[in-house]
Formats: sequence, structure tokens, C-alpha cells
Amino acid sequence: EPEVTQTPSHQVTQMGQEVILRCVPISNHLYFYWYRQILGQKVEFLVSFYNNEISEKSEIFDDQFSVERPDGSNFTLKIRSTKLEDSAMYFCASSQSRGPNTEAFFGQGTRLTVV
Amino acid sequence: GNSVTQMEGPVTLSEEAFLTINCTYTATGYPSLFWYVQYPGEGLQLLLKATKADDKGSNKGFEATYRKETTSFHLEKGSVQVSDSAVYFCALSYNTDKLIFGTGTRLQVFP
Repeated sequence: EPEVTQTPSHQVTQMGQEVILRCVPISNHLYFYWYRQILGQKVEFLVSFYNNEISEKSEIFDDQFSVERPDGSNFTLKIRSTKLEDSAMYFCASSQSRGPNTEAFFGQGTRLTVV
Repeated sequence: GNSVTQMEGPVTLSEEAFLTINCTYTATGYPSLFWYVQYPGEGLQLLLKATKADDKGSNKGFEATYRKETTSFHLEKGSVQVSDSAVYFCALSYNTDKLIFGTGTRLQVFP
């Protein structure tokens, strides 16, 4: 069964360093998303991406964040200069179409720890 | 704004017990409602959904009914199994494909 895969499963980085979280969405999906969950808090939407551009982003997704689909398979989230408060579980998701009835398929998450 | 509130966990049950996980929402209109489940080491998976008032979503013995009058979408199962141990997330979407999640509720089922 096709699935969304994320790497690494756990990343530890020093404050101020750049990190890139990687995701391989399901191959025939066209819409891509990043969410995050700070420990003990809600899963929060970060950004959606379609046709090589951002279609929606939250206020969390500031200039420190960027997304890219560098080739036909990967979808990456870059944090330019990490802060302690960026420590969270980051989930990638993809869907075949859009709209409130669409099922989004999620990866298992990357736990980012900023020290 | 739109938001989802779930009961805090963990919820600890014996096998074959009845499960309820409460979820209420705040939305400006009539959102679509979802329950996602995350088993250990895996991603979030869609468990069930309902797109309009009074709809009942069901899957794997789990059910939830979209109650507009109480703005709720409580998850229920008549007889839980050890394999149901997971984290359950209530979510909504409204006029967009963005999902708004609750905090998640951990369910632990013991034999």
C-alpha cells in the first residue's frame, strides 16, 4: 500500500542551525502539506503546496521556513535558523485532490529537537 | 476562529470496554469533521469522517455522529481491543483542505 515516508525519524540540531526535513509523498498525489505538533499541544497546519507554489500558509510559517519540491518525488521543509521553540514533531501529508472531503495521507513524522 | 477541543488523555480501558472520546468544535459555518488515528511508530491515518449534520462516520467498529446542535463529534466503540491502543485526533476542515486538529487523546487498552 502506498505511503508517505519521512526522513529522518528523529533529528537533533543546535540552535541557529539550518535543518531540512524530507518527505516522499504518494507518487500520484498533487497536494502536499506540512503540519507540526509541539509536545502536549495541538497538531498545527504550517503550509500547503500545489503546482510548485505555496497555496496556503499559517502565521507560524514565517521567513525562517521554506518548502520545496526539488525533484519529482521529494517534498522538503527547511528551517533556516532553528530556535528552541521549533522543537516539535513535524508531519508531512499528501492528497490526490483538494477540498474538505479529500483524504490526506500522513507520514510517521520527524521529531525535531533543537538544543 | 475555527478550533477543535478534545478530552485529555490518557484513556485507560480494559479489553471489551466501551469507549467514548469527546470532541467538540467551534466553526463559523458547517465544517467537515474527521477522526484520525496514530498507531505507535506510524503516521496519522484517517479513521472516519462526516461532512454534514447528522451524518454518522464509521470504520473498524468506531462511530462518530456529526451533531450540529451540540457542535460535537464524539468517537465511540462498543468493545475495544488491545490493538486499538493509539492516539486519536479529532479534526475539522472548512472551505479549505487545511485540517484543524485537536491535541489528540491517547488510548491504552489492557488485556
